[in-house]
Amino acid sequence: AAGVIQSPRHLIKEKRETATLKCYPIPRHDTVYWYQQGPGQDPQFLISFYEKMQSDKGSIPDRFSAQQFSDYHSELNMSSLELGDSALYFCASSLTIGGVGAGDTQYFGPGTRLTVL
Amino acid sequence: KNQVEQSPQSLIILEGKNCTLQCNYTVSPFSNLRWYKQDTGRGPVSLTIMTFSENTKSNGRYTATLDADTKQSSLHITASQLSDSASYICVVSARDSGYALNFGKGTSLLVTP
Repeated sequence: AAGVIQSPRHLIKEKRETATLKCYPIPRHDTVYWYQQGPGQDPQFLISFYEKMQSDKGSIPDRFSAQQFSDYHSELNMSSLELGDSALYFCASSLTIGGVGAGDTQYFGPGTRLTVL
Repeated sequence: KNQVEQSPQSLIILEGKNCTLQCNYTVSPFSNLRWYKQDTGRGPVSLTIMTFSENTKSNGRYTATLDADTKQSSLHITASQLSDSASYICVVSARDSGYALNFGKGTSLLVTP
């Protein structure tokens, strides 16, 4: 069965550069979540989208932006990268059945490991 | 391969009833296990975190258990409320991987009136 695809799997950038991470949800899934996990830390929720509209916003820095496209894939754009942005970035997708508050199974991608030098 | 399996995949219960969600894992060497509650489209909310030496932990009406020998955990919800409707995700981390968390697929719980 198809899973969530993230690209690239590894990315190395210099400080102050920009990076774009991509997430391709499972076919027919309409909800995408982005998480950031620093070394030895809990994953931190960044932002989510439902039907191409932002549905919730977490601890996403102003230097980051994200969107969900018409084909439901999502991109996380990161500018003015800092050393502290080095982390594993997870994307997850789900199919929203019951609406907000109902709870649907999330499927996580393998993550993109970003290293900022 | 590190894996986290959750059951059931989905569950419907009447308001006021109790329920138990299961999590089996093969992650090794084990570091800790967390249960999260997540509403659709929202960020996850941490319910409990347990290390190897802990075998039970409560958070209000939520009680998590851990059997590190059999590599099983359960999340028991008492006197369910409509607001408990959400996805419950079991996440296990390994001691030797500073980054990686291993996510279960979650159990989707619907509490009906």
